[in-house]
Amino acid sequence: EVQLVESGGGLVQPGRSLKLSCAASGFTFSNYYMAWVRQAPKKGLEWVATISTSGSRTYYPDSVKGRFTISRDNAKSSLYLQMNSLKSEDTATYYCARMDRGRYYFDYWGQGVMVTVSS
Amino acid sequence: DIQMTQSPASLSASLGETVTIECRASEDIYNGLAWYQQKPGKSPQLLIYNANSLHTGVPSRFSGSGSGTQYSLKINSLQSEDVASYFCQQYYNYPLTFGSGTKLEIK
Repeated sequence: EVQLVESGGGLVQPGRSLKLSCAASGFTFSNYYMAWVRQAPKKGLEWVATISTSGSRTYYPDSVKGRFTISRDNAKSSLYLQMNSLKSEDTATYYCARMDRGRYYFDYWGQGVMVTVSS
Repeated sequence: DIQMTQSPASLSASLGETVTIECRASEDIYNGLAWYQQKPGKSPQLLIYNANSLHTGVPSRFSGSGSGTQYSLKINSLQSEDVASYFCQQYYNYPLTFGSGTKLEIK
């Protein structure tokens, strides 16, 4: 069974940093692209970052480019999101998601972790 | 960026009815479209990919169709467990973008 478990969320002040982690199990982690998707309270879904199987390629929307960094450790079956210079508009539930092989949709999602950016 | 316009924003239907949710892309996305279901308080779950392929374990009362810029999700024989928000997503090109969602309720 595919399982994705996020951790590392919490309350952080504007301008500070936070690092999210996602522990994967139930599949060969190194064979899949992975991603982060977020959802602001009572709002829709927003793609945040994607990383290739080896970690050599990463993709971001303009809203987080230069502030967020996605990375992975295939030996530990873990995905990470380093978030710097956080803004109030980054407040959201962050989901770790697996991307289907060769395609860029999300076939399995974690339960999500809440990040609140507030002074 | 490809904009995804989803309609309606909310929908109320009776048990056993058939409902349809629409998604329009701002340019041709060549069937690079997925649909997700998000039940209250839960994470999204994949329903449909490639516009019309059913994900593993998804009931056959869900179906997807469309091409070019116009796509739809149909739910036959609406059941109480279908109460949820539904989102479309294009994956033809980066940045990956979602529709704004449709909230489905039972009358």
